[in-house]
Amino acid sequence: EDKVVQSPLSLVVHEGDTVTLNCSYEVTNFRSLLWYKQEKKAPTFLFMLTSSGIEKKSGRLSSILDKKELSSILNITATQTGDSAIYLCAVLSSNTGKLIFGQGTTLQVKP
Amino acid sequence: GAGVSQTPSNKVTEKGKYVELRCDPISGHTALYWYRQSLGQGPEFLIYFQGTGAADDSGLPNDRFFAVRPEGSVSTLKIQRTERGDSAVYLCASSPGTGGLETQYFGPGTRLLVL
Repeated sequence: EDKVVQSPLSLVVHEGDTVTLNCSYEVTNFRSLLWYKQEKKAPTFLFMLTSSGIEKKSGRLSSILDKKELSSILNITATQTGDSAIYLCAVLSSNTGKLIFGQGTTLQVKP
Repeated sequence: GAGVSQTPSNKVTEKGKYVELRCDPISGHTALYWYRQSLGQGPEFLIYFQGTGAADDSGLPNDRFFAVRPEGSVSTLKIQRTERGDSAVYLCASSPGTGGLETQYFGPGTRLLVL
């Protein structure tokens, strides 16, 4: 059965800290891995990763995929209170168009 | 519109009632997806449309759940004889549907509460 697992499930840090969120997967016919940020209801797209070892970066956020280890990390540097959200990892299998999501990591950034 | 829209944003109903949830995808997107997110969990896939047809409905939990997309744009998720366990946020997403690697863009969801 296809599975995506995220860790930690929750994290509390202070502004300015750097955080690393983890995602591991067991999916047949892997096609891509996506990261989303969910603040209220709508998950908003952050990154799509398809190739191992190539870092994607957007401002203070970056992410990388390791296909050998079947995992990905999402880094956030110099965290701000506005980074507080649930971060969702999802994998797309080529067998189907559906995304398989992890449970999410709830990040709280304190002032 | 610019993004995926969903109505209503909140729906409270009583056990046993019928509900309809609507999704309006990004203009031009032929692929449309429904997911369900329970508290503290990631979204779970329900059904995927390519155009008017359901390409994959393997995530629908039982025959009380049904979805349509008659003109290949707006979709309606229908739940009959609602149960308290149906309470969740129902998310809709769309993507261009060209068959390549595509990002799915999500709407704000409908929060359903079954009393």
